[in-house]
Amino acid sequence: NAGVTQTPKFQVLKTGQSMTLQCAQDMNHEYMSWYRQDPGMGLRLIHYSVGAGITDQGEVPNGYNVSRSTTEDFPLRLLSAAPSQTSVYFCASSPGDGNQPQHFGDGTRLSIL
Amino acid sequence: TQLLEQSPQFLSIQEGENLTVYCNSSSVFSSLQWYRQEPGEGPVLLVTVVTGGEVKKLKRLTFQFGDARKDSSLHITAAQPGDTGLYLCAGAQGAQKLVFGQGTRLTINP
Repeated sequence: NAGVTQTPKFQVLKTGQSMTLQCAQDMNHEYMSWYRQDPGMGLRLIHYSVGAGITDQGEVPNGYNVSRSTTEDFPLRLLSAAPSQTSVYFCASSPGDGNQPQHFGDGTRLSIL
Repeated sequence: TQLLEQSPQFLSIQEGENLTVYCNSSSVFSSLQWYRQEPGEGPVLLVTVVTGGEVKKLKRLTFQFGDARKDSSLHITAAQPGDTGLYLCAGAQGAQKLVFGQGTRLTINP
């Protein structure tokens, strides 16, 4: 019963490097999203998808790209990492829309040097 | 400006005490969710409140949604060390998005 799986769990990058954070869910959920969590800021929505082939921007999309080629997978790409992107990233999914309770992965802790 | 303000941000109390965490906004939400997060893990849903004035109980935890659907509270009775964690409220507003509060980091000391 995997739920939402995120890889890697930890990553250190140098400024300017690119990277893809992986997210997969096995619950056949239509809605998937990416959040970043920073101290004192709660969770902020980066991008979301309401189904395969459809993506949209959240509150803090700059510097990040997403795609949704399948229902199961929703990767997050950092094109040119910056120290301001140091954060813990969470992927989430829900069976309905984005207002429904979310199932979260265990996060990826990313440090940009 | 945070759309959802949680207070307090940090709370450390002794086992057996009662506590209340608040989640306030000037905006109306169609529903409000409470999550609990352990270190190294993602948030896990505790409860969803939908109707203004609604009260839901989960063992020693009582959740209330304000009459105007702009605020919510979480009350814990006789707190235990196992209640330690980060508590997050999240409001559903508009299409496809949840707005999260900053979180309340709760520590229950034995």
